[in-house]
Amino acid sequence: NAGVTQTPKFRVLKTGQSMTLLCAQDMNHEYMYWYRQDPGMGLRLIHYSVGEGTTAKGEVPDGYNVSRLKKQNFLLGLESAAPSQTSVYFCASILRRDIGRNTEAFFGQGTRLTVV
Amino acid sequence: TQLLEQSPQFLSIQEGENLTVYCNSSSVFSSLQWYRQEPGEGPVLLVTVVTGGEVKKLKRLTFQFGDARKDSSLHITAAQPGDTGLYLCAGVWGTSYGKLTFGQGTILTVHP
Repeated sequence: NAGVTQTPKFRVLKTGQSMTLLCAQDMNHEYMYWYRQDPGMGLRLIHYSVGEGTTAKGEVPDGYNVSRLKKQNFLLGLESAAPSQTSVYFCASILRRDIGRNTEAFFGQGTRLTVV
Repeated sequence: TQLLEQSPQFLSIQEGENLTVYCNSSSVFSSLQWYRQEPGEGPVLLVTVVTGGEVKKLKRLTFQFGDARKDSSLHITAAQPGDTGLYLCAGVWGTSYGKLTFGQGTILTVHP
């Protein structure tokens, strides 16, 4: 049972390059999220999805796009990377029926991205 | 935008000492969660508190939710080196589709 798997785990990009981060979960969770983690700032929500084919903006969406073509996958894209996007990116998923008293977000291991 | 203020940001103590981490907001939470994160890993849920005044215990960890549901604390008794890590509080407001708003995190180091 893999849970939430992120690929790649590390990446170095040059300014202006593009890339896609992949998140896959095998728990049949409806809700999926992309967060970024920066020192001293906790985790901040970039985009999220409440189901296949639907996405919505979070707190810091600028410079990122997402797609959820399949229930188990949530892709995060950077069209033109900037140094300000150097961060650790985490994907998370939640089972819809657990929202409320039993909400538990399951996180991947993260992708460490450096933009030079 | 709801904000969560977590303090202290860094905590360095000796094995056997007690410690408390605080999480505060000006807004009322639907629920408040505490996560622990190890280096190179994603956060892992420790506990969720939902009811004002609620106290939950997890071995040597005690979690408290304020009566007004605007603040929470994590207390560790007799800290051990294995407790070292990043502790994060996260709040959920209303029907927010499980979106979490995190505090800044507390880096705890417990020296043997």
